[in-house]
Amino acid sequence: ETGVTQSPTHLIKTRGQQVTLRCSSQSGHNTVSWYQQALGQGPQFIFQYYREEENGRGNFPPRFSGLQFPNYSSELNVNALELDDSALYLCASSPKDGSSYNEQFFGPGTRLTVL
Amino acid sequence: AQSVAQPEDQVNVAEGNPLTVKCTYSVSGNPYLFWYVQYPNRGLQFLLKYITGDNLVKGSYGFEAEFNKSQTSFHLKKPSALVSDSALYFCAVRPMNYGGSQGNLIFGKGTKLSVKP
Repeated sequence: ETGVTQSPTHLIKTRGQQVTLRCSSQSGHNTVSWYQQALGQGPQFIFQYYREEENGRGNFPPRFSGLQFPNYSSELNVNALELDDSALYLCASSPKDGSSYNEQFFGPGTRLTVL
Repeated sequence: AQSVAQPEDQVNVAEGNPLTVKCTYSVSGNPYLFWYVQYPNRGLQFLLKYITGDNLVKGSYGFEAEFNKSQTSFHLKKPSALVSDSALYFCAVRPMNYGGSQGNLIFGKGTKLSVKP
């Protein structure tokens, strides 16, 4: 069974640029959630995708957007990068069988640094 | 506002001693409760969860957690700590009445556990 994978591992960008982060969900999982973890903080929910549609969103501006593909992999796009976007971005997958008590399985994260 | 509090930034324990990492929550309705562990440069690993039933939940690596509804707490415990337990521990809740999305895990700030030999 393949776990959640993310790419790239590390990324350095400058203010104003755009970035795309990628995630492959765990085998059998069709729901993907994205989180931002700032240094010294707990992860914060950005949004979730299910069946290629956004299925819930946290308190993040529209310049944070995403996609989910038919194979359930997902992308997180951030436009007009700001210094405060520097963080570890975590992807998590879970099975969507109608049970919201399922735990989420996290990838190793992508460390984004904005200069 | 819905929130999770982990009142201790760091917990220090001697190997072989019992450990407790505290978590309290404030959410509407009855939440689902989770504990995750994060090792350096790694993602979060699931430890255990409380959904319903017995207030004492057993999880991975000998960890357990006690749900206390009246105190809105979900403290993580282990009878005998190991040096390898040293890591960052996160408590998380998912409010049951969140509109159906599975994604809205609310995390605490994390507690760094340090187990000394």
